[in-house]
Amino acid sequence: DAGITQSPRYKITETGRQVTLMCHQTWSHSYMFWYRQDLGHGLRLIYYSAAADITDKGEVPDGYVVSRSKTENFPLTLESATRSQTSVYFCASSDRDSSYEQYFGPGTRLTVT
Amino acid sequence: DAKTTQPPSMDCAEGRAANLPCNHSTISGNEYVYWYRQIHSQGPQYIIHGLKNNETNEMASLIITEDRKSSTLILPHATLRDTAVYYCIVRVARNTDKLIFGTGTRLQVFP
Repeated sequence: DAGITQSPRYKITETGRQVTLMCHQTWSHSYMFWYRQDLGHGLRLIYYSAAADITDKGEVPDGYVVSRSKTENFPLTLESATRSQTSVYFCASSDRDSSYEQYFGPGTRLTVT
Repeated sequence: DAKTTQPPSMDCAEGRAANLPCNHSTISGNEYVYWYRQIHSQGPQYIIHGLKNNETNEMASLIITEDRKSSTLILPHATLRDTAVYYCIVRVARNTDKLIFGTGTRLQVFP
């Protein structure tokens, strides 16, 4: 089915481990985003990408790395996970043709022990 | 980006109209008002957006004051499934395309 998917949906990892969260969209949207959501903070932007090979930092980029080698994929990597990165992560995509509405994935719940 | 102010929570009876206010007194002339909602444990969902005219779609209506310093999202006949956190966001519809979420309004629809 067309849309935006995230994997895994749930992940438990240990402090110091590297973990990658995947995001895939089938609309060929130019723009993609990663947000994290924590109680009391709403959603905060981590990184975004305007096109393949173009990425930029959001509000809270420290501790995260992104890449965008293909338009449809936007993986988020935690190179050395910390407990403070325990959160729900949402990926989103948008494009000019959609009036810049952002379409969100179902989220990945990450727990760092 | 301009900031918004929303009440932290509201209640609404099922079948009645839910009117969710948002203040954005520092909005710039080229900034739009967007509304999203997030139902528990799901990703945010786009509802509606507007620049200065009132807008209506199948989900809701958006009323923007003439001075554009505030707006109201109206759900005309709220249902239990409309229970969610509603976010009002102002932004320029441009290439950087970022959404800055605040803490939103938690709408509870009761039977």
